[in-house]
Amino acid sequence: QLQLQESGPGLVKPSETLSLTCTVSGGSISSGGYYWGWIRQPPGKGLEWIGSLYYGGNTIYNPSLKSRVTISVDTSKNQLSLRLSSVTAADTAVYYCTGPNNYFYTMDVWGQGTTVTVSS
Amino acid sequence: QSALTQPPSASGSPGQSVTISCTGTSSDVGGYNYVSWYQQHPGKAPKVMIYEVSKRPSGVPDRFSGSKSGYTASLTVSGLQGDDEADYYCSSYAGNNKVVFGGGTKLTVL
Repeated sequence: QLQLQESGPGLVKPSETLSLTCTVSGGSISSGGYYWGWIRQPPGKGLEWIGSLYYGGNTIYNPSLKSRVTISVDTSKNQLSLRLSSVTAADTAVYYCTGPNNYFYTMDVWGQGTTVTVSS
Repeated sequence: QSALTQPPSASGSPGQSVTISCTGTSSDVGGYNYVSWYQQHPGKAPKVMIYEVSKRPSGVPDRFSGSKSGYTASLTVSGLQGDDEADYYCSSYAGNNKVVFGGGTKLTVL
């Protein structure tokens, strides 16, 4: 059964870059034909789509985050990565990895999430 | 402020039906049949319950149903059970390769 596991620093300083990885087990991220993405949820608030990657194709980002976000894949490690630059306290959230998704606008499979706090 | 508007709370007694609304605009809910609904229990990851307005993934009980009229999508939970108590979020494709979410509705089973 496919599983997603997010990992990364739980604490990031303001103005620095947040880097997270999502390790995929029970399936291959490079099998093709699916979207992989990131969603975040600030404490006590709703969900926000960060972006989605179609393996072998394009990557699309939330316009509100596009200038700061990079989503990529490391096929040798079967991992999806997220980089968010110039973070502020507003980026404090639980970050979820999702995929494989048949379409980028529906998240079929979710990781358990990882909490990231932005603070000095 | 979320792009899609949901009531902050909804409630019903066991066995009853409850409907949660999700209101958008012609640029999202009203313009595309790509509305999804997610269930989230406290401290857990969301789970897709409905996609493309009214389709149910395998394993989701048929007590959960979705519909859309104009700019408003709806999720109906019939035969309420205790485990249905959770937060529910709607999402929609919003054109130009963008996805938007609602602010969430806390469903309480009385």
